[in-house]
Amino acid sequence: DAGITQSPRHKVTETGTPVTLRCHQTENHRYMYWYRQDPGHGLRLIHYSYGVKDTDKGEVSDGYSVSRSKTEDFLLTLESATSSQTSVYFCAISESRFLGTEAFFGQGTRLTVV
Amino acid sequence: AQKVTQAQTEISVVEKEDVTLDCVYETRDTTYYLFWYKQPPSGELVFLIRRNSFDEQNEISGRYSWNFQKSTSSFNFTITASQVVDSAVYFCALSGGGSEKLVFGKGTKLTVNP
Repeated sequence: DAGITQSPRHKVTETGTPVTLRCHQTENHRYMYWYRQDPGHGLRLIHYSYGVKDTDKGEVSDGYSVSRSKTEDFLLTLESATSSQTSVYFCAISESRFLGTEAFFGQGTRLTVV
Repeated sequence: AQKVTQAQTEISVVEKEDVTLDCVYETRDTTYYLFWYKQPPSGELVFLIRRNSFDEQNEISGRYSWNFQKSTSSFNFTITASQVVDSAVYFCALSGGGSEKLVFGKGTKLTVNP
């Protein structure tokens, strides 16, 4: 199995509080992604990174920010959590887009905003 | 823009039936990659297959087979003699040569009944 660890695995937080989710990889892969999974929507890309300090927005980036200060860590921050951000969040890593290598996924983080 | 459409939201079959999951994609790239992932009830995302746009050969892996047709922009997945363990949500995904993004369809939930 690819070395990807998401933390925390479960979190309940209150509306308006900041939340940070962490994705840690041991594969030294260049590309890292954050997705959210919601019923009826499948997996939607939030943000992705193509290198240290190189990030870009996905299709549902509003309300989220990311940071990547080291190859192995990709942080997703909800600055002020809202109930619409209740979801399951997946981190993924990929070695290279040019080779079309597959993405490997973490176990997911279930976030509930009350 | 890249887009993946999985028109079948849910499919229910009886064990040993064959079942085909449809995937239609849109991209302007001439080089792109298509993927299938499986998400069993336990929640993890499992990579199944990757195909590039230059290889239209069908692929078979045990009971699984994939039919890639560029003329119809489709990458369909067939499970032969389905089993209860095949029950899962299946996602089709697309990565274009000009983008680092991996775009997913909304998924098809397959239920195989004994």
